[in-house]
Amino acid sequence: DTAVSQTPKYLVTQMGNDKSIKCEQNLGHDTMYWYKQDSKKFLKIMFSYNNKELIINETVPNRFSPKSPDKAHLNLHINSLELGDSAVYFCATGQGLSKQYFGPGTRLTVT
Amino acid sequence: EDQVTQSPEALRLQEGESSSLNCSYTVSGLRGLFWYRQDPGKGPEFLFTLYSAGEEKEKERLKATLTKKESFLHITAPKPEDSATYLCAVSQGGSEKLVFGKGTKLTVNP
Repeated sequence: DTAVSQTPKYLVTQMGNDKSIKCEQNLGHDTMYWYKQDSKKFLKIMFSYNNKELIINETVPNRFSPKSPDKAHLNLHINSLELGDSAVYFCATGQGLSKQYFGPGTRLTVT
Repeated sequence: EDQVTQSPEALRLQEGESSSLNCSYTVSGLRGLFWYRQDPGKGPEFLFTLYSAGEEKEKERLKATLTKKESFLHITAPKPEDSATYLCAVSQGGSEKLVFGKGTKLTVNP
């Protein structure tokens, strides 16, 4: 069983479209995260949810909206996609100040 | 202002040639320093957490150490399968947020 799964793995879309990335974890952790890794491999946190509640919201454009329907899922919806949104998006989970488990990533390409 | 700086950006070693990767940080109230390994096309994989200066942790050929300003990841007699990007991250204050460095890409040639 994969601990943290993401779908899709690859996403190619045109500017202006709206898309969603899904994340599911089976570790029972309270906290889930979304990270963005740019073309230079720099990994930066975007959002964090704890028990379905938003606790970290970095300076991310409001075109990005995370949604947590339950503790095991954290989805990322992106409106009006721009070229600069092209990156790899990672979902992660953790429990308190301990290691975080990362998903396999979703490579988003906006053309 | 960078809070986590990793050096070198890239490192090439011959198999068996030991070396160290550096992670310096400027955060106050460090709660934890984390090392991750990332293989191409995959998510980061946890290696170590260090919580206080003087702490050391080991796993196979890897050893992580921590001072008040920096952490080192020592690689002893590396093998080609150790080739990966090694990421350092810190957590500070009351936050569980991890702030990552830009990583060191390690290549070990046979």
